[in-house]
Amino acid sequence: EVQLVESGGGLVQPGRSLKLSCAASGFTFSNYYMAWVRQAPKKGLEWVATISTSGSRTYYPDSVKGRFTISRDNAKSSLYLQMNSLKSEDTATYYCARDGRGNWFAYWGQGTLVTVSS
Amino acid sequence: DVVLTQSPATLSVTPGERISLSCRASESVDTYLHWYQQKPNESPRLLIKYASQSISGIPSRFSGSGSGTDFTLSINGVELEDLSIYYCQQGNSLPFTFGSGTKLEIK
Repeated sequence: EVQLVESGGGLVQPGRSLKLSCAASGFTFSNYYMAWVRQAPKKGLEWVATISTSGSRTYYPDSVKGRFTISRDNAKSSLYLQMNSLKSEDTATYYCARDGRGNWFAYWGQGTLVTVSS
Repeated sequence: DVVLTQSPATLSVTPGERISLSCRASESVDTYLHWYQQKPNESPRLLIKYASQSISGIPSRFSGSGSGTDFTLSINGVELEDLSIYYCQQGNSLPFTFGSGTKLEIK
């Protein structure tokens, strides 16, 4: 059974940093692209980042480019999101997702809430 | 960026009805259009991939159609458990984008 478990969310002040983690199990982690998708409170879904199987290629929307960094450790079956220079508009539940080999999101974690506020 | 417009924003239906939800893209996404269901207080779940391909474990009452810019998610015989928000998402070009969702309410 595919499982994705996020951690690392919490309350952080504007301008500070936070690192999210996602522990994957139930599949061969190194064979799949992985992604982060977020959802602001009572809002829709927004793609945040995608990383290739080896980690050599990463992709971001303009809203987070230069501030967020996605990475992975295939030996630990873990995905990460380093978030710097956080803004209030980054407040959201962040989901880890397994890419379906076609830029779609086949499996999702339960999410971790990040609140950016002073 | 590709903008996905979903309609209606909210749909109130009677159990047993057949319904259709629309997703329109601002430019062609071929068939790189995928549908998700998000039940209250749950994570999203993939329903349909590549516009019309079914997903293992998803009830057969869910189906998708379309290509290019116009897509439809159909539910043949809505059930109470289908109370959810439905999102479309395009994977044809970066940045990947989602529609704003259609909320399904059960009468």
